[in-house]
Amino acid sequence: DAGVTQSPTHLIKTRGQQVTLRCSPKSGHDTVSWYQQALGQGPQFIFQYYEEEERQRGNFPDRFSGHQFPNYSSELNVNALLLGDSALYLCASSPEGGARGGELFFGEGSRLTVL
Amino acid sequence: AQSVTQLDSQVPVFEEAPVELRCNYSSSVSVYLFWYVQYPNQGLQLLLKYLSGSTLVESINGFEAEFNKSQTSFHLRKPSVHISDTAEYFCAVSNDYKLSFGAGTTVTVRA
Repeated sequence: DAGVTQSPTHLIKTRGQQVTLRCSPKSGHDTVSWYQQALGQGPQFIFQYYEEEERQRGNFPDRFSGHQFPNYSSELNVNALLLGDSALYLCASSPEGGARGGELFFGEGSRLTVL
Repeated sequence: AQSVTQLDSQVPVFEEAPVELRCNYSSSVSVYLFWYVQYPNQGLQLLLKYLSGSTLVESINGFEAEFNKSQTSFHLRKPSVHISDTAEYFCAVSNDYKLSFGAGTTVTVRA
């Protein structure tokens, strides 16, 4: 049983570019959350998708957007990249009930470097 | 609003010694509490959680945490650590669909 898979694992972009990160949830999970983990910090909640809708959003600008597909996979898009967007981006999945109880299953992340 | 404070950023400890990682939270409503562990170059894994019931919760690898409502704490302990426990540990709180994490505590176990 595959867990949460994310792609790409590493990528380098320059300021002003756009990036798309992808996530496939664990089998049987229909809820996907995205977190940003800057170096030396804890993960920060970006948003959560359930039933192809953004259910909740953290304190991130509109440059951060997402999508969930009918097969529950998800994308995170970041436009107009800034140096401060350099971070590890974590995808987490859960069954709908598990999302409220906080038991999330995390992928290994996509490490984004903005130059 | 919820927030989590992990009081120690780094904890060096010798193998087979005990360790305690401190976590305090603030929330105006009932919460669920968690400890996640992140081994080098890996994603986060759930270590243990408190949802309700007994205030002492245990993990399968010897860690335990105690929920203390009056002190708004959820400290993590292990009586005897192994080299393999070297990792970063995150305390988190949830009362909605998102988790709020602390800044993390790096545990380095030395022989």
